[in-house]
Amino acid sequence: SQQGEEDPQALSIQEGENATMNCSYKTSINNLQWYRQNSGRGLVHLILIRSNEREKHSGRLRVTLDTSKKSSSLLITASRAADTASYFCATDGGSRSRLTFGEGTQLTVNP
Amino acid sequence: EAGVVQSPRYKIIEKKQPVAFWCNPISGHNTLYWYLQNLGQGPELLIRYENEEAVDDSQLPKDRFSAERLKGVDSTLKIQPAELGDSAVYLCASSLLGGPNTGELFFGEGSRLTVL
Repeated sequence: SQQGEEDPQALSIQEGENATMNCSYKTSINNLQWYRQNSGRGLVHLILIRSNEREKHSGRLRVTLDTSKKSSSLLITASRAADTASYFCATDGGSRSRLTFGEGTQLTVNP
Repeated sequence: EAGVVQSPRYKIIEKKQPVAFWCNPISGHNTLYWYLQNLGQGPELLIRYENEEAVDDSQLPKDRFSAERLKGVDSTLKIQPAELGDSAVYLCASSLLGGPNTGELFFGEGSRLTVL
């Protein structure tokens, strides 16, 4: 069963534009992570934000976390064609502390 | 430093045949995970190991799936017999920290299984 739900399911933008993906979850969490997956490859960790943090930056990535709304967003600024991939949020929480992934957002950046 | 290594990358078998996947985690990572990923979906946890111990295997279909992690390093995931619905990508991952407060997971490239 998936804990997180990403929105939108698919996003298509032009190079240079910003891309925003959202993630909602249901139970309390210890942390929330974002991963990228290129087609046919494994997942690559992008960023981790702890439950007591509200915002985190890494290069062109900006992640926010609102625990009161049980939601997070991933912003990719100045997107590039190489950013084309699926993006997944993953929540760590619950009694088993299981890292649970959402369904993902398929991002396409057109050159 | 080598990442998580999985083999085989691709496997095609007839239904009811057995299949096994192998994973070598990053050196020093005590926690190892097997995830199943269906097309267009996120990974779903099958089993998590802390060293040799399977600490979370509640989502492993134990009637046909088995896993082992001998000596707390390499791991093998087996399906016997395989069914058509088992066609998916099997991802192995490892991390320094397990639960609670799981840290960053490092994934292998996955083993894509096709059952005919």
